[in-house]
Amino acid sequence: EDQVTQSPEALRLQEGESSSLNCSYTVSGLRGLFWYRQDPGKGPEFLFTLYSAGEEKEKERLKATLTKKESFLHITAPKPEDSATYLCAVLISSGSARQLTFGSGTQLTVLP
Amino acid sequence: DTGVSQNPRHKITKRGQNVTFRCDPISEHNRLYWYRQTLGQGPEFLTYFQNEAQLEKSRLLSDRFSAERPKGSFSTLEIQRTEQGDSAMYLCAGTSGVMGETQYFGPGTRLLVL
Repeated sequence: EDQVTQSPEALRLQEGESSSLNCSYTVSGLRGLFWYRQDPGKGPEFLFTLYSAGEEKEKERLKATLTKKESFLHITAPKPEDSATYLCAVLISSGSARQLTFGSGTQLTVLP
Repeated sequence: DTGVSQNPRHKITKRGQNVTFRCDPISEHNRLYWYRQTLGQGPEFLTYFQNEAQLEKSRLLSDRFSAERPKGSFSTLEIQRTEQGDSAMYLCAGTSGVMGETQYFGPGTRLLVL
């Protein structure tokens, strides 16, 4: 069964304190790995798509990397406005399947 | 703003009542998805449409749930005889193009069943 596990469940950082969030996956036939940000009461906001091991993408203070078994979301010098839940999701190659399988998310709090 | 809108944003209903939610994607979104999200969990897939055809349904989608996408534009999700366990955020997402895989989510409809 396809599984996506995110750790830690919650993370509290001081402003400027860099860290990484982990997303490990067990799937057959990875078609893509996605990172989203979700603010309370809102829908997930797309951040990155990674397709193959070794791929990296950056946006402002965020950098996503991918290996054959896991992905990391690195946050450099975070600010309070980076506080949110970060979700990762996988898309698998399986017949007509096109749905995303999500992890439970990491709730990030950045303190001023 | 992804351009995907959902209505209503909030719905409170009593157990046993029927509810209907609507999702309006942008015109380029040929694929449309419905997910359900409960507190502290990631979204769970319910069903998806390629244009007007419903191509896949999750085992989470019981007989009380039905979804439509007439004319391949907006979509509706109806829950009949609601139960307290149906309380959740219902999310709609769209994607475009033959190879486009990135799903863009709407703001969601939060359902509370009393």
